[in-house]
Amino acid sequence: DQQVKQNSPSLSVQEGRISILNCDYTNSMFDYFLWYKKYPAEGPTFLISISSIKDKNEDGRFTVFLNKSAKHLSLHIVPSQPGDSAVYFCAASAKRSGAGSYQLTFGKGTKLSVIP
Amino acid sequence: KAGVTQTPRYLIKTRGQQVTLSCSPISGHRSVSWYQQTPGQGLQFLFEYFSETQRNKGNFPGRFSGRQFSNSRSEMNVSTLELGDSALYLCASSLGLAGDNEQFFGPGTRLTVL
Repeated sequence: DQQVKQNSPSLSVQEGRISILNCDYTNSMFDYFLWYKKYPAEGPTFLISISSIKDKNEDGRFTVFLNKSAKHLSLHIVPSQPGDSAVYFCAASAKRSGAGSYQLTFGKGTKLSVIP
Repeated sequence: KAGVTQTPRYLIKTRGQQVTLSCSPISGHRSVSWYQQTPGQGLQFLFEYFSETQRNKGNFPGRFSGRQFSNSRSEMNVSTLELGDSALYLCASSLGLAGDNEQFFGPGTRLTVL
């Protein structure tokens, strides 16, 4: 059972427009969410994160929104640039009782193509 | 500062064989996590090591094992390889326990099982 779902395997956006990548989760214990970007032949790189005590976090062109009641988060990229073309992974973590360590659960990724 | 390195980058094995993958974390990082990436399942957590101890384990069979050395370098071993083990294996390091700290990923080892 997938606890973190990215229902759109791919997304195409015109350069300069907004890219919106969506992610849904089912585990109500998740309290920390992250987005990673992955280029071919490279490992994922951390992009932006948000804690469950916030509903928005912004970093330059990237903003993540969290809707806890809907168990939904989204990543907005404005304006989109050709260099943003990559696979974007949503990830979530929840403190495992007694272990003191967080395990990251990833979605399957969304491939973003920004068309010049 | 050097990033996370993984060796080998590519590997071809046959069913039934075993394989060992290596990961060198960023200097000073004490946590190493391993992930399996396949087209159908995305990134799936295998296990996390911190200070030579396994702190977390994902839902993988016992054929998948790992260890961490005193210098924080980690190895992952897969025994009795199956065709379905073909995947990109990613290692990530962090200063402290993953989830509390940003993880930095290596480029991965592409394993093909024939």
